[in-house]
Amino acid sequence: DTAVSQTPKYLVTQMGNDKSIKCEQNLGHDTMYWYKQDSKKFLKIMFSYNNKELIINETVPNRFSPKSPDKAHLNLHINSLELGDSAVYFCASSRTGTGGNEQFFGPGTRLTVL
Amino acid sequence: GQQVMQIPQYQHVQEGEDFTTYCNSSTTLSNIQWYKQRPGGHPVFLIQLVKSGEVKKQKRLTFQFGEAKKNSSLHITATQTTDVGTYFCAGREWDMRFGAGTRLTVKP
Repeated sequence: DTAVSQTPKYLVTQMGNDKSIKCEQNLGHDTMYWYKQDSKKFLKIMFSYNNKELIINETVPNRFSPKSPDKAHLNLHINSLELGDSAVYFCASSRTGTGGNEQFFGPGTRLTVL
Repeated sequence: GQQVMQIPQYQHVQEGEDFTTYCNSSTTLSNIQWYKQRPGGHPVFLIQLVKSGEVKKQKRLTFQFGEAKKNSSLHITATQTTDVGTYFCAGREWDMRFGAGTRLTVKP
C-alpha cells in the first residue's frame, strides 16, 4: 500500500488556469506538508498542517491555498497559474513530536505551466 | 530566521572514492535528519541524529552531529553507482528546514 499518495503525477496547463493537487496519507500521521522543488532541486516548504490546522505558511503567494478536510488529506489549490509555478510539488507527512519525526514523501506532482 | 546551509552543491566522484556532504546551521538544532532523493524520485528518510556529538553508521554511510549541534556531515565510503542522487539534510529548530542538497554523481 502506498503510504503517501498524490494525484495527479503530471499536470500540464496553461497560464492563468486554476488547478488542484490532492494528497492522502494512510500512515495515521497528524502533520502534513507541501513542498515545492524547483529545477535546481531546492526543496522549499510551503505549508504545514497539524490536525487540520495551518502551522507553517511560508512566503507563498496567496494564489496557493491549502485545504485539509481531515488529518489524512491535504490538498493544494493554485489559482491563476504562472510560468514560475512550474516545479515538482511534494506532499509529505509525519508524526508530531518535539524531537522531530521523519517525513514520508509522496511521489511528487510535476506541474508544467505553458 | 532559521537557515540550514549545505555544501557542496554538486559532487562528482569516481566509483570507489569517498564522498562527504556538510550541513551547517546558524542556530542550535534540536535534531537533524538526512534524506536521499534518487533521480526522478522523492526524498527518502535515511536517519535522524539528536544527541550532541552523535555518530551513526549505516553500512558505508557515516552520519555525524556536531558537538554544538549546529553542523552535521554525511560520509560515504567507497561510493557505488547506486549512491547516485541528491542528499538533503534537514535541521529542526522550531520546525524542519531542508538544506539545498548535494547532488552526487558517480562515474563507473
